[in-house]
Amino acid sequence: GIQVEQSPPDLILQEGANSTLRCNFSDSVNNLQWFHQNPWGQLINLFYIPSGTKQNGRLSATTVATERYSLLYISSSQTTDSGVYFCAVNFGNEKLTFGTGTRLTIIP
Amino acid sequence: EPEVTQTPSHQVTQMGQEVILRCVPISNHLYFYWYRQILGQKVEFLVSFYNNEISEKSEIFDDQFSVERPDGSNFTLKIRSTKLEDSAMYFCASSEVPGEKLFFGSGTQLSVL
Repeated sequence: GIQVEQSPPDLILQEGANSTLRCNFSDSVNNLQWFHQNPWGQLINLFYIPSGTKQNGRLSATTVATERYSLLYISSSQTTDSGVYFCAVNFGNEKLTFGTGTRLTIIP
Repeated sequence: EPEVTQTPSHQVTQMGQEVILRCVPISNHLYFYWYRQILGQKVEFLVSFYNNEISEKSEIFDDQFSVERPDGSNFTLKIRSTKLEDSAMYFCASSEVPGEKLFFGSGTQLSVL
């Protein structure tokens, strides 16, 4: 079946460090989105990125659709970056299929 | 920035009772969705809704579930007879174009006792 896998499952970093989160998907996708679920449970859309590279402040994302992966980069981490990061893909229908998530903990 | 709003933020109910979860999508969005997240697990698609009709649903969305847009602004999810396994965070979402950038509400935590 269709799979969306994220790595690493857990990441603990010191404040100020950089990190790379990976999302692999098993089939061609129409689009890919990255979300941050904060400690209060809110899902914040970070990027809509079916292909190419986008940057927003300290965050950037790259999707290589032909190789079926996407990367989320977080630079100069802050404690407010803590939470779970999900990638979610659309395989040609309306629903988003979410990945397994990466739990990021930033230690002051 | 416009946002999706959901009420209530928490709902506790007894098994077998009906619950209605409410959502106000972003005003110029035409595509509406419900997702749910069981504690500690990933987010799962339930249903999508466009032009007053269900356009897609998952196998989770059985006869116990229904959705409605009762007026020009609200979008509701009804669970007719709740089960213990319905306990989860329920998220409403909306988008301008199907399958494109999705905006989520802050969720309703449903606890079935």
